[in-house]
Amino acid sequence: DIQMTQSPSSLSASVGDRVTITCRASQGITNSLAWYQHKPGQVPNLLIYDASTLQSGVPSRFSGSGSGTDFTLSISSLQPEDVATYYCQKYDRAPYTFGLGTKLEIK
Amino acid sequence: QVQLVQSGAEVKKPGSSVKVSCKASGGTFRNYSVTWVRQAPGQGLEWMGRFIPFLNIANYAQNFQGRVTITADTSTSTAYMELSSLRSDDTAVYYCAREGFHWLVMSGHGGFDFWGQGTPVTVSS
Repeated sequence: DIQMTQSPSSLSASVGDRVTITCRASQGITNSLAWYQHKPGQVPNLLIYDASTLQSGVPSRFSGSGSGTDFTLSISSLQPEDVATYYCQKYDRAPYTFGLGTKLEIK
Repeated sequence: QVQLVQSGAEVKKPGSSVKVSCKASGGTFRNYSVTWVRQAPGQGLEWMGRFIPFLNIANYAQNFQGRVTITADTSTSTAYMELSSLRSDDTAVYYCAREGFHWLVMSGHGGFDFWGQGTPVTVSS
């Protein structure tokens, strides 16, 4: 099975900073990648699909890029409400593996 | 608007089984896959498997092969996830979610765009 490796596992940044999270697939998955935001006590929220397409209703400060094995999620200007754990997930074919997550905090 | 409503919290003994339901409203149930994801305390999201009503097939994660059964009843727009031989490390919140790929027109994406509210399952003797 293809493994998804996210980095970093945790990240602390200041409000207004640009933040980047990376996700690497152990084999190529074309652009079949999604990013989710998961806040404690809430349901996961789809941010990005097809590696770079912003889900409806998601703020434009979120963006995704990449194809093949290497992907990034960026937040252009970090806001307090962005505190959450972020997950990548592949869906080229089953199993639809998640990365281990990146916990994002505010400095 | 699509809504997924899951059954309530469960407390189970080790070795028993649990069956969680996920009732969909809005949209056409048969045309989208329903996937199941769990999150154990302090852990990340874990994909368990999915059911494709349009094809009437299920796919399962290797970690759960032989213990999980995912089905769906298109007449009631309800999906089910049954996990057997429960252990304490199966204690988790179990989510259903809809995959954004439309099987009839073969278009869309594999991200999970609508989620159920989650069902806590506690396994304890």
